[in-house]
Amino acid sequence: DAGVIQSPRHEVTEMGQEVTLRCKPISGHNSLFWYRQTMMRGLELLIYFNNNVPIDDSGMPEDRFSAKMPNASFSTLKIQPSEPRDSAVYFCASSLGPVQETQYFGPGTRLLVL
Amino acid sequence: RKEVEQDPGPFNVPEGATVAFNCTYSNSASQSFFWYRQDCRKEPKLLMSVYSSGNEDGRFTAQLNRASQYISLLIRDSKLSDSATYLCVVNTLRQGGKLIFGQGTELSVKP
Repeated sequence: DAGVIQSPRHEVTEMGQEVTLRCKPISGHNSLFWYRQTMMRGLELLIYFNNNVPIDDSGMPEDRFSAKMPNASFSTLKIQPSEPRDSAVYFCASSLGPVQETQYFGPGTRLLVL
Repeated sequence: RKEVEQDPGPFNVPEGATVAFNCTYSNSASQSFFWYRQDCRKEPKLLMSVYSSGNEDGRFTAQLNRASQYISLLIRDSKLSDSATYLCVVNTLRQGGKLIFGQGTELSVKP
């Protein structure tokens, strides 16, 4: 079975550009999570969806970040405009049900903003 | 104070050694506990859940002490392939419940 799919795997962009990260959760999973990982701050939850509805976006750093989940099989995380401090690995994860369920992570997108 | 705290390591141990990782959490209402493993430049993967009575999976033993808000992971007979970062994970009931990840403890097993 396919796991969580993320694209692109690597992204290098210049400050001020728009960045869009994509995620396809495991089929049948109802919860989807976006995380950011840096050396300094570790793994941080940005936002999570349950049945395509955003439940908690308190981790979204600021208005430059937005996330959508138009259907059960697709989600995007957008950064506009991007800044060098946004450089990190962005993981998408999905789980069957409530947040206490095991989460399955995608391979991540390594973002570098110059 | 961080919600989940771990010794970052690194722990450098020889093959065959027994190694223990500790983790403390601040929210006494937390209900679910996990250990995840993350290999270098890879995604985190669930290693095992942690149950109140303690649980074992092969060479790995996890224990929970709710009174002290403390979780541990013991690895016996360590293998080279155990080299990774081990993340302590706790759920919180705030805002619908979400998983809080510790910073991770790095383990390096040497021949």
